Amino acid sequence: SQTIHQWPATLVQPVGSPLSLECTVEGTSNPNLYWYRQAAGRGLQLLFYSVGIGQISSEVPQNLSASRPQDRQFILSSKKLLLSDSGFYLCACSHGGVYEQYFGPGTRLTVT
Amino acid sequence: AQSVTQLDSQVPVFEEAPVELRCNYSSSVSVYLFWYVQYPNQGLQLLLKYLSGSTLVESINGFEAEFNKSQTSFHLRKPSVHISDTAEYFCAARTSGTYKYIFGTGTRLKVLA
Repeated sequence: SQTIHQWPATLVQPVGSPLSLECTVEGTSNPNLYWYRQAAGRGLQLLFYSVGIGQISSEVPQNLSASRPQDRQFILSSKKLLLSDSGFYLCACSHGGVYEQYFGPGTRLTVT
Repeated sequence: AQSVTQLDSQVPVFEEAPVELRCNYSSSVSVYLFWYVQYPNQGLQLLLKYLSGSTLVESINGFEAEFNKSQTSFHLRKPSVHISDTAEYFCAARTSGTYKYIFGTGTRLKVLA
């Protein structure tokens, strides 16, 4: 079965600083990968998803970007963080053998 | 566009009482349905799923959900809740042939002693 790793677990960054969150997947190959953001007390907002290396679909126009340099690696980045970027960031995967998504443990980002 | 609606943002219930968390979806094509549970500061964990076949699906910890195509619902039920069931529950849908999952806004279940 697959395992999703995310780091860091928590992060406090000042407004205007850059961001890099990493997600890696073990136990499966060629997964579909997803980044979600969960604001306090809110549901999940899909930010990006990828069905293959270098293939990124953006769901919400914003100052975030995503990249997939390797099959099982998904990176979320920003050049300049905004206060509104604070939230709980979740990486998820699905793959051809199953229909459901599996989630990583999440990264808590606080922009100050 | 496909949508998933969870009408109740919070549901308080006493321990050992039954509970139902409601979920409605909108879709004109085949859809896969899921319930996830999230404990504080953790990722989401799959609780149960409906893909096809029997409309009643069960989880290992006593939850069940029934797919009702005519009412486009997938409500989650448990006959007797425990304090440890206190968490947030998300309903999600994925349309057959697509990669995207649509989540409801979540229902916070609080089990009272």
